[in-house]
Amino acid sequence: DAGITQSPRHKVTETGTPVTLRCHQTENHRYMYWYRQDPGHGLRLIHYSYGVKDTDKGEVSDGYSVSRSKTEDFLLTLESATSSQTSVYFCATKLGTEITYEQYFGPGTRLTVT
Amino acid sequence: KNEVEQSPQNLTAQEGEFITINCSYSVGISALHWLQQHPGGGIVSLFMLSSGKKKHGRLIATINIQEKHSSLHITASHPRDSAVYICAAPYYNTDKLIFGTGTRLQVFP
Repeated sequence: DAGITQSPRHKVTETGTPVTLRCHQTENHRYMYWYRQDPGHGLRLIHYSYGVKDTDKGEVSDGYSVSRSKTEDFLLTLESATSSQTSVYFCATKLGTEITYEQYFGPGTRLTVT
Repeated sequence: KNEVEQSPQNLTAQEGEFITINCSYSVGISALHWLQQHPGGGIVSLFMLSSGKKKHGRLIATINIQEKHSSLHITASHPRDSAVYICAAPYYNTDKLIFGTGTRLQVFP
């Protein structure tokens, strides 16, 4: 268990409002990821980070931005939430970049955009 | 088209049965991950394997890199094994994972 927390755990927001989800880890893992999980789809990568101020886009990054100012925190922002962004969001961390390292997942945030 | 496909999508079993979940992938990989998602939503990593077989308790994972196929077996299944099982492959040997859509397993007493 990599000591990963996500906040909030549940959020309901209206279309057009900005939303920020926070991922916090206590294991000093360098690599962090944001995924969304939707019915009929596997987990899909939104953004990832290889270190402080080092972020890049994943396969479904449109409408999302991220920031990582400290090793332990990785923030996901929906600049103007849309109903298509209703989903469960998972943060994950990894110790190293090698493919043999496992990812550790946070508990998830259920976001509903009305 | 999913690059990582699992079968079956849903599986029900009686307690004690032997369970097999399959994962096929089209990307070229050198390792594959199996994860478990509990009914409450939490996701934990079960195995990472690059060849052969790994065993942890009643769970056994096998992989055939040449055939691009992996299986997860559960022996003597128990209701607490009820969960969604997900396989994931690194995308073209990067550290980014492509996930299957999961197999929902329900084990009844």
